[in-house]
Amino acid sequence: DTAVSQTPKYLVTQMGNDKSIKCEQNLGHDTMYWYKQDSKKFLKIMFSYNNKELIINETVPNRFSPKSPDKAHLNLHINSLELGDSAVYFCASSHLGTGELFFGEGSRLTVL
Amino acid sequence: SQQGEEDPQALSIQEGENATMNCSYKTSINNLQWYRQNSGRGLVHLILIRSNEREKHSGRLRVTLDTSKKSSSLLITASRAADTASYFCATDAGRADGLTFGKGTHLIIQP
Repeated sequence: DTAVSQTPKYLVTQMGNDKSIKCEQNLGHDTMYWYKQDSKKFLKIMFSYNNKELIINETVPNRFSPKSPDKAHLNLHINSLELGDSAVYFCASSHLGTGELFFGEGSRLTVL
Repeated sequence: SQQGEEDPQALSIQEGENATMNCSYKTSINNLQWYRQNSGRGLVHLILIRSNEREKHSGRLRVTLDTSKKSSSLLITASRAADTASYFCATDAGRADGLTFGKGTHLIIQP
């Protein structure tokens, strides 16, 4: 069983479109995250979320919004996609305070 | 903001040799972690060292932490072709906003 699963793995879309990436974890963790990895492999935190608090990296455009229907899911919705949004997006989860993150396999977004 | 900086950016060694990667960071931390990323895959946690620890071992991995210099090193002994991957250090400042990653070291093990 996959611990942290993301769908889709690949997503190719046109500028201006709206898209979502889904993430589910079956580890019983209380905190989930979205990271963006650019073409130089630099990983940047976008959001962290548990059932009490959403923390947004201030550099993330408000076109990006996390949506959590329940503790096991944290989806990423992106409005009005731009070329610069092309990247690999990783979902991760952890128990708050334990440190270790468990990552999904990533979703490669290409905006044309 | 970026916290960790790995050094070197890329490293190519022969199978069987040891590989050493370094990481420097800027602010105080609760712990520092190392992750591996194989090409096209997600990151996998390797080892965590707390701020009050100086050295930790796990199998062929040895991690050191010098909080006075704000630096850490990852040593992989007796390298194997399967160790070819990117290695990232990540710092945990004890806040709820997750880990801050460095740029990574790309390690290539030549058979």
